[in-house]
Amino acid sequence: AQSVAQPEDQVNVAEGNPLTVKCTYSVSGNPYLFWYVQYPNRGLQFLLKYITGDNLVKGSYGFEAEFNKSQTSFHLKKPSALVSDSALYFCAPLLGGSTLGRLYFGRGTQLTVWP
Amino acid sequence: NAGVTQTPKFQVLKTGQSMTLQCAQDMNHEYMSWYRQDPGMGLRLIHYSVGAGITDQGEVPNGYNVSRSTTEDFPLRLLSAAPSQTSVYFCASSYLGIAINIQYFGAGTRLSVL
Repeated sequence: AQSVAQPEDQVNVAEGNPLTVKCTYSVSGNPYLFWYVQYPNRGLQFLLKYITGDNLVKGSYGFEAEFNKSQTSFHLKKPSALVSDSALYFCAPLLGGSTLGRLYFGRGTQLTVWP
Repeated sequence: NAGVTQTPKFQVLKTGQSMTLQCAQDMNHEYMSWYRQDPGMGLRLIHYSVGAGITDQGEVPNGYNVSRSTTEDFPLRLLSAAPSQTSVYFCASSYLGIAINIQYFGAGTRLSVL
C-alpha cells in the first residue's frame, strides 16, 4: 500500500536557524515526490519535486529537499529560516504512474519561525 | 492569468440541501481534481478527471458527484449535504506527465453544513 508520513505535526525554529521538515514514504515503483506549502487561508503552492537524477533538489524560496532511497525519505530543508516561512507544509508522492496526476498528501507539518 | 478559480468562497448549508461547488481553470490542463481538507488529516482526494468526459473516484467519493463536460470546468456536486461534509474544499489542475506535473490549487471553498 502507498503511504506517506510526516512524523512531526509541528516544527518550531528561530529565525536564521536551519530548518528541517521530515517526510518518509512508501510507494511501489519509482517514487515521484513533491513538497507543497499552504499559507493561512490560501490554497497550496508547489515548492519542489524529485523525479530522477540528483538527490538534492532545489526549489522555491530557498528551500531544498534531499531524496534518500535507502531510508525512503524526502526531507525538506532550508539553511536559514525566515519568519515568512511560517506555514503548513505537505509532502506528497505522485501516484498512478507517469501519466496520471494523483497526489497523495501527508497530514502536514506546521512550521513556525519565531523572530 | 486567472489560474484556478473556485466559487463560492464560503457557503453555509442545512442538512439535506444540495449544492454545486464550481471550479474553472484557464491553463488547458488535462487533469483536474477535488480535495477536502480537514484538521489533522491533510488533503484527501474526492474525485479526479484526466480529461473531458473522464472522471474517477478518489479516497473519499461518497456523497459527491462530478462531471467534466469541458476541459476548463470541473464542478463538484453535493447531493444531500451532511454535517460530516463540513470542510474546506480545494480544486486543483495540472498537466499530465511526470516531467511537467505541477498542480495549481484554487483558493478554496469553506463549507459548513448545519
